[in-house]
Amino acid sequence: AIQLTQSPSSLSASVGDRVTITCRASQGISSALAWYQQKPGKAPKLLIYDASTLQSGVPSRFSGSGSGTDFTLTISSLQPEDFAAYYCQQFNEGLTFGGGTKVEIK
Amino acid sequence: QVQLVESGGGVVQPGRSLRLSCAASGFTFSNYGIHWVRQAPGKGLEWVAVISYDGNNKYYADSVKGRFTISRDNSKNRLYLQMNSLRLEDTAVYFCAKDERGYSFGYFGHWGQGTLVTVSS
Repeated sequence: AIQLTQSPSSLSASVGDRVTITCRASQGISSALAWYQQKPGKAPKLLIYDASTLQSGVPSRFSGSGSGTDFTLTISSLQPEDFAAYYCQQFNEGLTFGGGTKVEIK
Repeated sequence: QVQLVESGGGVVQPGRSLRLSCAASGFTFSNYGIHWVRQAPGKGLEWVAVISYDGNNKYYADSVKGRFTISRDNSKNRLYLQMNSLRLEDTAVYFCAKDERGYSFGYFGHWGQGTLVTVSS
């Protein structure tokens, strides 16, 4: 089974910071990767699919890049509503989620 | 608008069974694969199972294979998860989620609010 390793598992940042989260696959998954944001007590929200396509309605400060085994989610200027957990998910072979990254207020 | 509403969660003893339901609306249910995804308290997301749009293909995570059964009734726009031989480690919020690609494996643009299953003696 394909494993996804996210790093870091948590980070502290300030409003306005540029934040980068990495997701590494245990084998190549082409561009079959999605990113989600989840706030406490809520369902996850789709941010990015096919590694770099922004979901409709998601602010343009979110972007995704990568292919093969290494992927990145970038928030260009962190906003107060962005403090949440973020998950990557692959769908190239079966379906797996990364362990998550919690973005906290510094 | 797309809506997914789970029900059927609750407290159950180890070894017992529970059936979850997911009511769908706002889209052509019979055109999409639907998944169950769970999240243990304070933990990350774990994919559980998927059923294809026509119900002919079903896939499960190794952790639930042989104990859980996914099914659907396209005439009622409903998805089900029959959970047997429940274990303490099955305690989680269970979400149903619509596969946006329409295939068996894709990404999830729409999720339900989740239903909590607690396995406890």
